[in-house]
Amino acid sequence: DAKTTQPPSMDCAEGRAANLPCNHSTISGNEYVYWYRQIHSQGPQYIIHGLKNNETNEMASLIITEDRKSSTLILPHATLRDTAVYYCTTGGGGKLIFGQGTELSVKP
Amino acid sequence: EAGVAQSPRYKIIEKRQSVAFWCNPISGHATLYWYQQILGQGPKLLIQFQNNGVVDDSQLPKDRFSAERLKGVDSTLKIQPAKLEDSAVYLCASSLGVKNIQYFGAGTRLSVL
Repeated sequence: DAKTTQPPSMDCAEGRAANLPCNHSTISGNEYVYWYRQIHSQGPQYIIHGLKNNETNEMASLIITEDRKSSTLILPHATLRDTAVYYCTTGGGGKLIFGQGTELSVKP
Repeated sequence: EAGVAQSPRYKIIEKRQSVAFWCNPISGHATLYWYQQILGQGPKLLIQFQNNGVVDDSQLPKDRFSAERLKGVDSTLKIQPAKLEDSAVYLCASSLGVKNIQYFGAGTRLSVL
């Protein structure tokens, strides 16, 4: 069973920030939060991960709440190429459990 | 750096036939995973290898699915005999170790008719 909950779909205007929420209320203390995205007909692509602190890389920012029960992935300036299914997953020991993800549509 | 390679990209078979998928992980990655992704769902882990040993195969339907990772590098996943419900994308991923980021291949799309 999936340990994360995400909205099934979201829209975002091109050039605006996309904020994708995820609930992971049963996360264990040593489990990381990982975000992947999957563009049609491709394998999932790693975006970012974190344990407690907020993280930023060239692709996105990850905001994790202090109680670690939820997080938000931020794509600061969404482009049409960011249209994909975004998966939030938690893992420890290598086992990732994927839910159904959020289908993000970036519109011109 | 080359990514995870999988072949074939597509396969169509009839039910009760057998099929095999091949995966070549990123060089130096000790951990290898096979996932099944049914249309509209997230990937589901089937089996996890650490070098050539199985770490987790609790979700692998062992009556028809088998997997091996000889010499701790390449891996094959086999289905025999296939059922209609096996139609899915089979994804291979690899990581340096069990606590490291997983990198996925493009997958093999299997259609069982």
